[in-house]
Amino acid sequence: DIQMTQSPSTLSASIGDRVSITCRASQSIGGFLAWYHQRPGKAPKLLMYEASKLESGVPSRFSGSASGTEFTLTINGLQPDDFGTYYCQQYNYYYTFGQGTKLEI
Amino acid sequence: EVQLVESGGGLAKPGESLRLSCAASGFNFRADYMHWVRQAPGKGPVWVARISNDAYNKDYADFVRGRFTISRDNAQSTLFLQMDSLTVEDTGFYFCVRDVKSRFPTWGLGTLVTVTS
Repeated sequence: DIQMTQSPSTLSASIGDRVSITCRASQSIGGFLAWYHQRPGKAPKLLMYEASKLESGVPSRFSGSASGTEFTLTINGLQPDDFGTYYCQQYNYYYTFGQGTKLEI
Repeated sequence: EVQLVESGGGLAKPGESLRLSCAASGFNFRADYMHWVRQAPGKGPVWVARISNDAYNKDYADFVRGRFTISRDNAQSTLFLQMDSLTVEDTGFYFCVRDVKSRFPTWGLGTLVTVTS
């Protein structure tokens, strides 16, 4: 099974900050990585796919990058709506989610 | 508007069964693969099962294989998950998810399954 390890587990930031979340895959996943944002009591929302492609309707302050098996989600200019938990997901071989990064603003 | 609405969750004892349903609307249901994903309280999402658009191919996570069965009725745009031999570890929210080119852009609101003795 492919394991996905996110860091940090918790992140505190202020409005306007630039923050980054990292996700490392236990083996090559060929760039088939997605990022989701989840607010309490809601379903996850797709932000990025194929590591760096922005889902339709998602603000351009979100961006993604990849280097081997390490993937990064960056948010430029944090907004109040951005609090919540972020998950990475590999979909190269079945599907595995990371354990989550809670972003506190 | 693309919409997925789950139902059928509730309280069950270990060893009992539940059947979840997911009503889809706003898209060509019969064209897309569909999934069930679950999330225990305070934990990350975990993929449970997948079904192809024609229902010919079905795949399951190891921890539910042999106990859960995914199915669909394309005429009624409805996805199902039959859950047998439930355990306390099956407790959580179950989400119906639409697959678009292997990513998950559409999720339902979820239905809560609680397994307790």
